[in-house]
Amino acid sequence: AQTVTQSQPEMSVQEAETVTLSCTYDTSENNYYLFWYKQPPSRQMILVIRQEAYKQQNATENRFSVNFQKAAKSFSLKISDSQLGDTAMYFCAFMKLRGYSTLTFGKGTMLLVSP
Amino acid sequence: DVKVTQSSRYLVKRTGEKVFLECVQDMDHENMFWYRQDPGLGLRLIYFSYDVKMKEKGDIPEGYSVSREKKERFSLILESASTNQTSMYLCASSLGGYNQPQHFGDGTRLSIL
Repeated sequence: AQTVTQSQPEMSVQEAETVTLSCTYDTSENNYYLFWYKQPPSRQMILVIRQEAYKQQNATENRFSVNFQKAAKSFSLKISDSQLGDTAMYFCAFMKLRGYSTLTFGKGTMLLVSP
Repeated sequence: DVKVTQSSRYLVKRTGEKVFLECVQDMDHENMFWYRQDPGLGLRLIYFSYDVKMKEKGDIPEGYSVSREKKERFSLILESASTNQTSMYLCASSLGGYNQPQHFGDGTRLSIL
C-alpha cells in the first residue's frame, strides 16, 4: 500500500514571498503519478500541478513548480510570488499505474498568506 | 468546465436514519468517487465506481454503500447513520485511464445528531 506524508500541518508566508510545501511518499511502484491539489476555504478542491514519475523534468504551472526527487521519494511544491488567493489547504496525492486509478492523499498542509 | 454537483451543502440528520448523498457530473466521466474529509486525516476514499452499476470499496467502506444506476449520478448511502459519520463528504469524477485529474464537488457537511 502507498502512503503519503505531509509533515507540515500549517505554514504561513507573506505576500510576494516564496514558500515550499513538503511531501514524501512510500511505494514499491516504479511508475506512478503525483499531484498537488488546493482547497481554498469553503471552496472546491482543484488540481494545481501533476508530475509523471518517469519524467525527470520538474513540472511547472505559472507560479507553481515542483521538486521531484524520485530516489528520495520526495515531491515538494514551491509557490513563488505568493498571493492572498493562495491561502488554502494543499494536498499531495499519489496514483499508481496498476489497477484502478485511485488517489492516495496526504493529510494536507494549511497555507496562510498574509499581507 | 467540468461541473460536479453535490445535492446539499449542509445536512443534519439523526442517529439511525438512512441518509442519501447525491452527486451528479456533467462531463460523461467514467470514474466517480466518494471521499470523507476530516481534520488531520486528509481525504479518505470510501467507494468508487468505474462504470454504471460497478462499484469498488475504498479504504473506509464500513457503514456506507453506493449506487450508480446512471453514468452521471453516484449516490452515497449511510444505511443507519451514526455520530462518527459526522464529516465533510466530497464527490469527485474523472475520465477513465491514468493521469486523469479528479474534479471535485463543493462538498456536503453532514452532521449526525
